Amino acid sequence: AQSVAQPEDQVNVAEGNPLTVKCTYSVSGNPYLFWYVQYPNRGLQFLLKYITGDNLVKGSYGFEAEFNKSQTSFHLKKPSALVSDSALYFCAVSGSGNTGKLIFGQGTTLQVKP
Amino acid sequence: DTGVSQDPRHKITKRGQNVTFRCDPISEHNRLYWYRQTLGQGPEFLTYFQNEAQLEKSRLLSDRFSAERPKGSFSTLEIQRTEQGDSAMYLCASSLAGHRGYTFGSGTRLTVV
Repeated sequence: AQSVAQPEDQVNVAEGNPLTVKCTYSVSGNPYLFWYVQYPNRGLQFLLKYITGDNLVKGSYGFEAEFNKSQTSFHLKKPSALVSDSALYFCAVSGSGNTGKLIFGQGTTLQVKP
Repeated sequence: DTGVSQDPRHKITKRGQNVTFRCDPISEHNRLYWYRQTLGQGPEFLTYFQNEAQLEKSRLLSDRFSAERPKGSFSTLEIQRTEQGDSAMYLCASSLAGHRGYTFGSGTRLTVV
């Protein structure tokens, strides 16, 4: 069965510092991995995805993520956090089937303090 | 076309009443997905359509839930005899078949009192 784990409920960083939000996954076959961000009372906004190719994926708003097949991880990173990055972040995985269905992690709240 | 639209944004209903939500996908997208998100959890898949055909339904979609996409464009999600446990954010998303990842709407927040 496919699954996603986000081991941290909350990550706190100071503005200007680098941030990492962790994600590990379990899927049969090749994984397709995604990060979404959600602001209060809003839908999910796409940040980036890994389908194939380079393990380092660059996305919106300066975020990037590194795919590590041996560790089955897809951690989200940003070199310098902004207060406006404070939000709820979701990692998701889609297996190699054709449905496009996503399995989401439980989410990690990122709090960036000035 | 500015994205995926969902209506209403918020719905408060009494237990036992029926509710219906609407989703208008991005016009050229042939796939449409419904997810449910409860507080503190990630979205959970409910069902999806390719054009007008409903291709998969989650076990979360009890007999009280029904979804339609009659002309392969907009979709409706109906919940009959609502229960307090149905209180959640209902999210719609759309994509092109074969494309990975999709665009979400802003969601409909349902509160059953």
